[in-house]
Amino acid sequence: KQEVTQIPAALSVPEGENLVLNCSFTDSAIYNLQWFRQDPGKGLTSLLLIQSSQREQTSGRLNASLDKSSGRSTLYIAASQPGDSATYLCAVMMDSSYKLIFGSGTRLLVRP
Amino acid sequence: DGGITQSPKYLFRKEGQNVTLSCEQNLNHDAMYWYRQDPGQGLRLIYYSQIVNDFQKGDIAEGYSVSREKKESFPLTVTSAQKNPTAFYLCASFRNTEAFFGQGTRLTVV
Repeated sequence: KQEVTQIPAALSVPEGENLVLNCSFTDSAIYNLQWFRQDPGKGLTSLLLIQSSQREQTSGRLNASLDKSSGRSTLYIAASQPGDSATYLCAVMMDSSYKLIFGSGTRLLVRP
Repeated sequence: DGGITQSPKYLFRKEGQNVTLSCEQNLNHDAMYWYRQDPGQGLRLIYYSQIVNDFQKGDIAEGYSVSREKKESFPLTVTSAQKNPTAFYLCASFRNTEAFFGQGTRLTVV
């Protein structure tokens, strides 16, 4: 059974710092992996989608990498800003059924 | 604007009541999914539908029911059989394999 783990559960950094969020999964036979952002009391916003054949995806200050063989993905945020404060969730899709398996998230606080 | 609309934003349920959460999308997506989120936890799949008039149980379907009579709509009913319904409920639809979420409904039992 696929399990997705995100460590740390919470992270506090000063503004301007580059940071890395981690996501690990137990079954490497994934179809794709998505990173989401969730603001308090809100829905999820898709940040980056990495297909199983890809190694990384970039959008602005965000870069997500995928290493299927080791069961790991990282989300790199460059030059963090207070507006980046949110919970970041990763999710893996095992096949084309669209069923996502989520980690518990990392709650990020960027201090001014 | 295209998107997924969930209503209401907040919902209160008395013991023994059935309540229905609405999810509407105008993205022309075939696949629609319902998730439950509890504090400090990831999302868990309740029900999903990949095409009109067809739906499947997810990992935690007990105490819930759905219908998919129209492509745009996928309502979720929380029945009295769901013993711990207080949670944040999220609806999603998919374009290819990318998920798009609504803003959620927070359900509280009073």
